[in-house]
Amino acid sequence: DTAVSQTPKYLVTQMGNDKSIKCEQNLGHDTMYWYKQDSKKFLKIMFSYNNKELIINETVPNRFSPKSPDKAHLNLHINSLELGDSAVYFCASSQDRFDSSGNTIYFGEGSWLTVV
Amino acid sequence: RKEVEQDPGPFNVPEGATVAFNCTYSNSASQSFFWYRQDCRKEPKLLMSVYSSGNEDGRFTAQLNRASQYISLLIRDSKLSDSATYLCVVNWNRDDKIIFGKGTRLHILP
Repeated sequence: DTAVSQTPKYLVTQMGNDKSIKCEQNLGHDTMYWYKQDSKKFLKIMFSYNNKELIINETVPNRFSPKSPDKAHLNLHINSLELGDSAVYFCASSQDRFDSSGNTIYFGEGSWLTVV
Repeated sequence: RKEVEQDPGPFNVPEGATVAFNCTYSNSASQSFFWYRQDCRKEPKLLMSVYSSGNEDGRFTAQLNRASQYISLLIRDSKLSDSATYLCVVNWNRDDKIIFGKGTRLHILP
């Protein structure tokens, strides 16, 4: 059983398209995240939700819109895709907000997005 | 100064050797510290938390130096399977901000 699952795993799409990446966690966690890892391997947080409430929204173009229908799901929709959006997008979850040493972040396997 | 800084490596180390790398952080209010491991084309996974008094997990030892604002990871008797990128993670509670370092690449050579 995959704890944090995201789909699709690979996505190749043209510039200007709109695409979504879905994420689900079956760990009963309250907090979910979207991270972006670019070609330089830098892992950067984009969004964080706690019990469906947005708690972190880093400086991300508003073409990126997260949606959390319930606390087990956090989807990422991207409008008008650009070449620079090519990256690996990791969904993740943790039991609570990341404020204690015991609060591990569990990552999904990543979604490899290539914009051509 | 970058928020979390690591030597990117790669560190090429013969099997069985001991290797150590550091991670420096800029915010003295940082509260929690971790090492994550990321294999090539895989997701990051927690390796170990870093406690104030230092902690050990098998061949791995983590240390925290608050005065100098760095954490370290020591790997003893390195195995081929230790080859990976090691990510330093720092959290300060003020705004739930979690910062990942860019990672240190480690190659264990047979």
